[in-house]
Amino acid sequence: AQSVTQLGSHVSVSEGALVLLRCNYSSSVPPYLFWYVQYPNQGLQLLLKYTSAATLVKGINGFEAEFKKSETSFHLTKPSAHMSDAAEYFCAVSANTDKLIFGTGTRLQVFP
Amino acid sequence: GAGVSQSPSNKVTEKGKDVELRCDPISGHTALYWYRQRLGQGLEFLIYFQGNSAPDKSGLPSDRFSAERTGESVSTLTIQRTQQEDSAVYLCASSKGSQETQYFGPGTRLLVL
Repeated sequence: AQSVTQLGSHVSVSEGALVLLRCNYSSSVPPYLFWYVQYPNQGLQLLLKYTSAATLVKGINGFEAEFKKSETSFHLTKPSAHMSDAAEYFCAVSANTDKLIFGTGTRLQVFP
Repeated sequence: GAGVSQSPSNKVTEKGKDVELRCDPISGHTALYWYRQRLGQGLEFLIYFQGNSAPDKSGLPSDRFSAERTGESVSTLTIQRTQQEDSAVYLCASSKGSQETQYFGPGTRLLVL
């Protein structure tokens, strides 16, 4: 069975500061891992995905995530936060199935 | 091309009534998924359609929930005898096929009074 844990339901950063959103996964087989972003009143948008190629994955809007098997982690980072990054972020895992197992989400606030 | 569309965008119903939620996937996408997002929680998988294969219904929470898909197009999620705990945002996603990226619609916000 697969599961995802997102540490911190809320993260607040200042504009220009580093963004770090944590995600740990559990999977009995090599996983596919995803980060989705949900802006207010909008659907989920894929930020990036890991599918067993390069462990450092670059996504849209300057975000990237690194797959660390030894730590079972897939943390999302961005060097410099923008006001427009304020949203809810979901980590998800998929392994040998097509359905996505989502974490509970992290709401990112960016202060000027 | 158009993305995944869902209707209605909002639905308010009374406890005990049946509701139907519609999803129009991206044209050409053979896979279609339904998820539920309760307030303050992550998304829960409900059901998955892939081409002509039998759907994966393993996420449906009770027999009050059912879904149909016509070929590789529209899908309808039906909730019978709605309960207050059914209140949630119901999200539909589609993908080109198995293990492909899922693209999500804007969701239907259901409120059961």
